[in-house]
Amino acid sequence: QVQLVQSGAEVKKPGSSVKVSCKASGGTFSSYAISWVRQAPGQGLEWMGRIIPILGIANYAQKFQGRVTITADKSTSTAYMELSSLRSEDTAVYYCARDVPMITNGVYYYYMDVWGKGTTVTVSS
Amino acid sequence: EIVMTQSPATLSVSPGERATLSCRASQSVSSNLAWYQQKPGQAPRLLIYGASTRATGIPARFSGSGSGTEFTLTISSLQSEDFAVYYCQQYNNWPQLTFGGGTKVEIK
Repeated sequence: QVQLVQSGAEVKKPGSSVKVSCKASGGTFSSYAISWVRQAPGQGLEWMGRIIPILGIANYAQKFQGRVTITADKSTSTAYMELSSLRSEDTAVYYCARDVPMITNGVYYYYMDVWGKGTTVTVSS
Repeated sequence: EIVMTQSPATLSVSPGERATLSCRASQSVSSNLAWYQQKPGQAPRLLIYGASTRATGIPARFSGSGSGTEFTLTISSLQSEDFAVYYCQQYNNWPQLTFGGGTKVEIK
């Protein structure tokens, strides 16, 4: 069973960038996609974006357009999420999750089945 | 953006009782809806996808129903390990995926 292993906690200054990694252990990306979801302290879940590693195509939530970059290295089955221009409101736990494709009427839809344990990012001066 | 609204925000239930959680979408998401369970300090866990299909290893006491804009997650007989926060999420509207605000199921 594949596991997603995320990088360790980060403390960053406002205005800087953070890059979080997510490595698939016990498997490869294969035909799956990888999503990134964040959760601010005491708050709900917020989807940030997704990459399909075999295609190298990433899509982002409108809220994060221009500030987030999601990439993947197929050779190491590792995905990355970089968030720039950090502010205090970006303090959160960042999760990666494997997206499973399902085809309905010829259209691909993806749901998230396996999640990483999360990476805490703290933005503070 | 499709807004997902969950109710109630908190549900107080005794062990062994039935719990019914609701999720409403601001527009149709067909059956492209998932439910997740999250316990404190843990990552979310997939329970249901396709509105009604249980994920691998999920006990039969969890069931999902609905399509379009109205969805329900039912836990038939609450066990101690089921007290957690539950989120619904639509994956129909690509690429703007959205979660509901969550329902906390607590011990009565």
